Amino acid sequence: AQKITQTQPGMFVQEKEAVTLDCTYDTSDPSYGLFWYKQPSSGEMIFLIYQGSYDQQNATEGRYSLNFQKARKSANLVISASQLGDSAMYFCAMRETGGSQGNLIFGKGTKLSVKP
Amino acid sequence: DTGVSQNPRHKITKRGQNVTFRCDPISEHNRLYWYRQTLGQGPEFLTYFQNEAQLEKSRLLSDRFSAERPKGSFSTLEIQRTEQGDSAMYLCASSHYRTGELFFGEGSRLTVL
Repeated sequence: AQKITQTQPGMFVQEKEAVTLDCTYDTSDPSYGLFWYKQPSSGEMIFLIYQGSYDQQNATEGRYSLNFQKARKSANLVISASQLGDSAMYFCAMRETGGSQGNLIFGKGTKLSVKP
Repeated sequence: DTGVSQNPRHKITKRGQNVTFRCDPISEHNRLYWYRQTLGQGPEFLTYFQNEAQLEKSRLLSDRFSAERPKGSFSTLEIQRTEQGDSAMYLCASSHYRTGELFFGEGSRLTVL
């Protein structure tokens, strides 16, 4: 079974509008961490935001926020005020140990295209 | 530049040849990871080091693959007797033991003809 599911292969958004990228996960570990990364066409993976399973509040980093719904096992990324430079692949990832050890399991990604 | 550095950035080789990739992590990071990414997929975990110890290896890491981090600093990933299925982007990442996020290099793209 897939650990991380991103159901949107591609998304379009108008510049300056907000967009939500979906991510659902599957784990039986009570302690885990969720990550979002951006991968522009240059190939480098850029860390955006982190949510711990015990965090009480949704994580926010500038224009990025994570809509964490633990009971639904979803961790959607919200990008507000989209910019042309936001066009990229976006990957959701999970670390099951919850701490800072171990590897990240990635989803297949969502390609976001921002239209002017 | 104090980010994660990988070289070569691109490698084209013939089937059956050996290739080696190098990764220089962020200097204060003691954890180093190797991932493989094929077209249209997310990165897939290969192996992970804490200092010089290789702590975890994926089933994807066949016996043709070997990774080392001899002094706990840079790491090498060697692929022996390359096959066309090895064509992919090989990503290296590092992290500090206190934080969770991985910092990635720009990757080494391998094409096996």
